[in-house]
Amino acid sequence: ETGVTQTPRHLVMGMTNKKSLKCEQHLGHNAMYWYKQSAKKPLELMFVYSLEERVENNSVPSRFSPECPNSSHLFLHLHTLQPEDSALYLCASSQARGSTDTQYFGPGTRLTVL
Amino acid sequence: GENVEQHPSTLSVQEGDSAVIKCTYSDSASNYFPWYKQELGKRPQLIIDIRSNVGEKKDQRIAVTLNKTAKHFSLHITETQPEDSAVYFCAATQEGSGYSTLTFGKGTMLLVSP
Repeated sequence: ETGVTQTPRHLVMGMTNKKSLKCEQHLGHNAMYWYKQSAKKPLELMFVYSLEERVENNSVPSRFSPECPNSSHLFLHLHTLQPEDSALYLCASSQARGSTDTQYFGPGTRLTVL
Repeated sequence: GENVEQHPSTLSVQEGDSAVIKCTYSDSASNYFPWYKQELGKRPQLIIDIRSNVGEKKDQRIAVTLNKTAKHFSLHITETQPEDSAVYFCAATQEGSGYSTLTFGKGTMLLVSP
C-alpha cells in the first residue's frame, strides 16, 4: 500500500490558483503515469514518463504541466483550471521493461475546482 | 487507438453466486489484459491479468478468459462475498517501447448482498 504515494490527498482550488500534485514511488520502477478518473468515465491516461522522458501526452490541455525530475518522483502542475477538471488524479508506476508491465497505482488526489 | 468496452456497468448478486464481467477490445495488437479492483475511496489494485498466449487463468475464486479471435475477455468471480463489492476495471495495452499504455473500460460496479 505504500509503494506509490501521492500528496495532497484532497485539494480544493479556485480557477486562478496554481497548485502542484506530487507522486513518489518506492518500487524501483522506471516508468510513471498520470491518469484522470472522472465519474462515469474510464480512467484516462494523461502523461507517461519512461526513464524520465515524457513519451506520451494524450491531448491534455496546457493548463496541466507534468514534471519528472527523477525516476522516483512525478509532479503535475496545475494552473487556471476549469470546474470540469474536478476529478480524482491517479499516479501509477511500472518497471518499464515493456508493454505488459503491471502498473501500480497511488491513492490519488481528489481535486475540486471551484 | 485502442477502444475497450465493458459490460455490465452495474451488477448485483447474492452472496455465494457467481459474477461475470465482459470486455471487448478493438486493437488486435493488444497482448496484455489486466483487471483492477477499486474499492470505494481507494486506489485501483491489480487482481489478475492474462497475456495473449494464454486462454484462461485462475487464481482461487477469480478467473479470466481470453478469446483473441473474438477480441473479448471476461472476469469470473465464484462464491462471491460482500468484500468483493467494488468497481472492477478491465484494460488492454497498446504497444510501447519500455512502458505500457493501458486503455481502460468504464468499470463495473459489483454489489454483493449478504
